[in-house]
Amino acid sequence: GDSVTQMEGPVTLSEEAFLTINCTYTATGYPSLFWYVQYPGEGLQLLLKATKADDKGSNKGFEATYRKETTSFHLEKGSVQVSDSAVYFCALSAEASGNTPLVFGKGTRLSVIA
Amino acid sequence: GAVVSQHPSWVICKSGTSVKIECRSLDFQATTMFWYRQFPKQSLMLMATSNEGSKATYEQGVEKDKFLINHASLTLSTLTVTSAHPEDSSFYICSAPPDGGTNEKLFFGSGTQLSVL
Repeated sequence: GDSVTQMEGPVTLSEEAFLTINCTYTATGYPSLFWYVQYPGEGLQLLLKATKADDKGSNKGFEATYRKETTSFHLEKGSVQVSDSAVYFCALSAEASGNTPLVFGKGTRLSVIA
Repeated sequence: GAVVSQHPSWVICKSGTSVKIECRSLDFQATTMFWYRQFPKQSLMLMATSNEGSKATYEQGVEKDKFLINHASLTLSTLTVTSAHPEDSSFYICSAPPDGGTNEKLFFGSGTQLSVL
């Protein structure tokens, strides 16, 4: 079945450091790919998405490119802030319908220190 | 924006008791809701799909008699962990897609941390 493999955390960075969180997937067909973020005490929120190969999703300074050849969707940010401290989940959806559940990675906890 | 309210946020209970977790969509209707579970250092795993007015669909390996799901209205789904045991201790989270929406519109509750003593 479909699966998502995400780098283990926790990740601790100093403010303004470069961030990469690796994510690879296994799926039949051409899934949509997502990064969700969960801030303390809140629900998961969609951070960015890509629906086809070579698409780049971006939001709040974060970017991820859908790489079909390497089945990857790595999350990057050039300069992290303390407010980026959260848990980040990579996920895929095999279908466009909202009635299809997502397949998640394990999540990566990011702590940014001033 | 759309909000999904899930409560309680955390609960501690004795072994053998039952715990009910509520997931409520506050400003949209959701015929379908998803229940996930996450063990430490593991992925969020889909447990079941809750369908308003009909029986839930459980994933393989999830005991339907232990994890009772009731989706009695278009805005509320409940998960009851019956006769909880320490191995049921986990993080439970619900997701609700607005009716007619795409996979980009999946709203999540804040999760419930269950600890069974």
